[in-house]
Amino acid sequence: QVQLQESGPGLVKPSETLSLTCSVSGDSISSYQWTWIRRPPGKGLEWIGYISNTGNTNYNPSLKSRVTISVDTSKNQFSLKVSSVTAADTAVYYCARDWYSSGWRVLDPWGQGTLVTVSS
Amino acid sequence: DIQMTQSPSSLSASVGDRVTITCRASQTISTYLNWYQQKPGKAPKVLIFGASGLQGGVPSRFSGSGSGTHFTLTIASLQPEDFATYYCQQSYTTPTWTFGQGTKVVIK
Repeated sequence: QVQLQESGPGLVKPSETLSLTCSVSGDSISSYQWTWIRRPPGKGLEWIGYISNTGNTNYNPSLKSRVTISVDTSKNQFSLKVSSVTAADTAVYYCARDWYSSGWRVLDPWGQGTLVTVSS
Repeated sequence: DIQMTQSPSSLSASVGDRVTITCRASQTISTYLNWYQQKPGKAPKVLIFGASGLQGGVPSRFSGSGSGTHFTLTIASLQPEDFATYYCQQSYTTPTWTFGQGTKVVIK
């Protein structure tokens, strides 16, 4: 059973870079595709970006200039970097597996999420 | 970009009630529509895929319907453990995902 766990600093200063890691257990990270999502306080879910099992990436156009997603297969982890953060980047950040359930593409499972606050 | 609009944004209901949540897409997405449930402090989990497919382990009181631009999630008889926030998500333009803003179901 695949399980995901996010990790990283809970507090980031404005204008700095937010860095999070998602550790995958239960299967090889190379077998699937992976996604980052966030939920700002009091708001809904926002898709951040995706990385395929071949390393191809796709980002939310609203964040594209500031986001980088990468994979470290040796550690079975994938990472998120968001540069030049502002208070608007304060959110709970989730990682999730992007795969197929009965032929339909879904995000499953998800990590528990980690709160990142942008503040000086 | 495809926009997803859910209604209502919140609702209050009693145990045993039948609950319906609506999700509309800004353009046709066939049946590329998933529903997720999120409880406070927990990760979202998929309930429905492909507009009407029930994810394994999800109780049969949950059902989904619709196609094109109009979709519904129905809980046939609300249980205490169903009080949560529900999100629709289009998978028509994968890997670019779009979510609805969420519907919070609270106890009346």
